Amino acid sequence: DTEVTQTPKHLVMGMTNKKSLKCEQHMGHRAMYWYKQKAKKPPELMFVYSYEKLSINESVPSRFSPECPNSSLLNLHLHALQPEDSALYLCASSQGGDASATQYFGPGTRLLVL
Amino acid sequence: QKEVEQNSGPLSVPEGAIASLNCTYSDRVSQSFFWYRQYSGKSPELIMSIYSNGDKEDGRFTAQLNKASQYVSLLIRDSQPSDSATYLCAVNPGFQKLVFGTGTRLLVSP
Repeated sequence: DTEVTQTPKHLVMGMTNKKSLKCEQHMGHRAMYWYKQKAKKPPELMFVYSYEKLSINESVPSRFSPECPNSSLLNLHLHALQPEDSALYLCASSQGGDASATQYFGPGTRLLVL
Repeated sequence: QKEVEQNSGPLSVPEGAIASLNCTYSDRVSQSFFWYRQYSGKSPELIMSIYSNGDKEDGRFTAQLNKASQYVSLLIRDSQPSDSATYLCAVNPGFQKLVFGTGTRLLVSP
């Protein structure tokens, strides 16, 4: 089973709102990732957690705050977003963090910021 | 800047034909290479991974890797209309990162 789940599927929020995206996997994977994908563009890496510790932050604005409560869960807390943050947010996981590890993607959360 | 280059397409092939998708990458230390398929509005789905020079076959899909030329390709035999999607080439240069190409849009006509 290579399933990564994400909730919610769709989210509409105002620029003053606080919301969270959730991601879960039960494959025993120890690395989890957040990507952002704009229309007709490839996914862009935002954050990487390896063994529940933040290992990569791709200079993402502080209005995005990741959290990894345990090895199966990954959250992305959103606050004071801008309309240009509207995108598909993808969670992925891999068995480990090494270069050969295959990343499996969840279905994504489509975010619209008004 | 570590780059992965793909022709954006669209690549149009008739049903039953072979579709050939190509990708070049700039970082010579890259060790892992992946092809993902993405339908419009959906998330990327892994098609193939390849780590060694040569060919790797899985059903109708064959991935080819040439590290000396920094080139990786995906062949789809007996293309079906359901194969119509964007194909993303992804390269792992290390450090837990995947660098994606911009994707090639494939259109298979009945």
